[in-house]
Amino acid sequence: KAGVTQTPRYLIKTRGQQVTLSCSPISGHRSVSWYQQTPGQGLQFLFEYFSETQRNKGNFPGRFSGRQFSNSRSEMNVSTLELGDSALYLCASSADVPLVVNEQFFGPGTRLTVL
Amino acid sequence: DQQVKQNSPSLSVQEGRISILNCDYTNSMFDYFLWYKKYPAEGPTFLISISSIKDKNEDGRFTVFLNKSAKHLSLHIVPSQPGDSAVYFCAASGSNFGNEKLTFGTGTRLTIIP
Repeated sequence: KAGVTQTPRYLIKTRGQQVTLSCSPISGHRSVSWYQQTPGQGLQFLFEYFSETQRNKGNFPGRFSGRQFSNSRSEMNVSTLELGDSALYLCASSADVPLVVNEQFFGPGTRLTVL
Repeated sequence: DQQVKQNSPSLSVQEGRISILNCDYTNSMFDYFLWYKKYPAEGPTFLISISSIKDKNEDGRFTVFLNKSAKHLSLHIVPSQPGDSAVYFCAASGSNFGNEKLTFGTGTRLTIIP
């Protein structure tokens, strides 16, 4: 079974631009979560999508948004980029089967650098 | 407000000895705890988990201990091997169901010295 894939792997943007990152979950997984990893802050939860609906949201400004498609693929968008948005953005998928331990499987991440 | 804390950013351990990684949490609603391991240029991979109804869970060389009264958990790796060198993240959630978000700590970089 193929793992979680994220594209692109690396991205360089300038302040004020916008960016779209893509995540393809493991086949059959319906839940996709996004995290931001920065040095000293660990992994911070951005949002989670399940069946095309945002089910959970972290404490990030509205510049950060996402969506999920009917095939469970997800995209996240960051508008008006700031220098502090430079980070590794990780996507994780889980099967989300009721009453079963649902571990999250992470992709390799997209390294975003904002200049 | 960091609800899950890993106060040691780094740890070095001799190969063959025990590695102990610590994690503290502040939210008493957390009910399920996980450890993830992360190599450079890869996403975190699930290592081991524990429910709040238990105080210990073992899987091979890895054991997680939970002290609910102290809001503290630890990961023991015995014996430590060079391949264990990685960043370890502690995470917590309100339950072990898929609709619960994970709150992560800041990570501890473990280096195993041959």
